[in-house]
Amino acid sequence: AQRVTQPEKLLSVFKGAPVELKCNYSYSGSPELFWYVQYSRQRLQLLLRHISRESIKGFTADLNKGETSFHLKKPFAQEEDSAMYYCALSARAGGTSYGKLTFGQGTILTVHP
Amino acid sequence: GAGVSQSPSNKVTEKGKDVELRCDPISGHTALYWYRQSLGQGLEFLIYFQGNSAPDKSGLPSDRFSAERTGGSVSTLTIQRTQQEDSAVYLCASSSMGQGWDYGYTFGSGTRLTVV
Repeated sequence: AQRVTQPEKLLSVFKGAPVELKCNYSYSGSPELFWYVQYSRQRLQLLLRHISRESIKGFTADLNKGETSFHLKKPFAQEEDSAMYYCALSARAGGTSYGKLTFGQGTILTVHP
Repeated sequence: GAGVSQSPSNKVTEKGKDVELRCDPISGHTALYWYRQSLGQGLEFLIYFQGNSAPDKSGLPSDRFSAERTGGSVSTLTIQRTQQEDSAVYLCASSSMGQGWDYGYTFGSGTRLTVV
């Protein structure tokens, strides 16, 4: 079974400071990892996925299979980054996509002015 | 439609009553998922539909919970004899398996259920 752990429920930083939201996973196969974000009074939305190796809104995340981590990073946090962030994992079974996501418990990021 | 639509947005019900929550996915999305979001619990998977069938119902908490999907489109999540611990935000998401779910889910805005 797969599991996603986000060790920090709350994270506070000041504007312009670097930020790292931690995510660790356990899964014996080859996972697909995602970060989702929920801004205040908005719906949950996809932020980025490891498969595309992209940078969205200045955020990046690198899959480290050795450490089973997928931490989300941004070098200079902005106030508008304040939100709930969820790390999620999907397991591939038999080489086909299944699509079910296992989410971590989320981290509330607050960026102070 | 343009996005995933859920109704009602808010539902307050008395303990013991039945409730139905509706999800209208993005047109053409074959995969549909129900999750429950509770304070301190993160997002719990409930059920997954591919077309009208549900290959994975493993997250349904009890036999009071059921879900169906018709026409490969609208899905209804039914909770019978509601209990206070059922209070949560119920989220629906859809994904285009044809394009690869790797593109992630599109979530609805959720139904906030309060059992009093």
